[in-house]
Amino acid sequence: EDQVTQSPEALRLQEGESSSLNCSYTVSGLRGLFWYRQDPGKGPEFLFTLYSAGEEKEKERLKATLTKKESFLHITAPKPEDSATYLCAVSPGSNYKLTFGKGTLLTVNP
Amino acid sequence: GAGVSQTPSNKVTEKGKYVELRCDPISGHTALYWYRQSLGQGPEFLIYFQGTGAADDSGLPNDRFFAVRPEGSVSTLKIQRTERGDSAVYLCASSPQGAGDTQYFGPGTRLTVL
Repeated sequence: EDQVTQSPEALRLQEGESSSLNCSYTVSGLRGLFWYRQDPGKGPEFLFTLYSAGEEKEKERLKATLTKKESFLHITAPKPEDSATYLCAVSPGSNYKLTFGKGTLLTVNP
Repeated sequence: GAGVSQTPSNKVTEKGKYVELRCDPISGHTALYWYRQSLGQGPEFLIYFQGTGAADDSGLPNDRFFAVRPEGSVSTLKIQRTERGDSAVYLCASSPQGAGDTQYFGPGTRLTVL
């Protein structure tokens, strides 16, 4: 059974204080690993897709990396508007459905 | 361009009633997915459509849940004899083709069963 575990469950940072969120996964034949951002009362907003170990992608203050067992979302010099829940999901090779973790609730204080 | 839209945004119903939730995917996307998200949890897969047919409905919790996509675009999730445990946010997503594609989510429908 595919599993995704995200840590920490919640993270509080001061504005400008860089940190990383972790996503550990077990999946039969990874087709893709996805990061989403979710604001309260909204649907998940797509951030990144990673397909193979060693791959990295960047967008503004965010950088996602992937190994064979985990992915990291690095946040550099965060701002209060980066506050949200960050969700990680995997798509196995055998089907199309995404298996999500519970998410990390990030709060960035000014 | 327009994203995935879902209606209604909120639905309050009484236990035992029937509800329909609608999803309008991104134009041209052939794959459509329904997920359910409970408070403090990540979305959980319900059903996947490729075109008009349900390619994978393994996530539907029981036979009270049913979904259709008759013309390969708009989809409706139907829940019969609603129970309080059905209360959740129901999310719809679409992708250009299917496997490995990025799924783009709508804003969700918050269902509350009293």
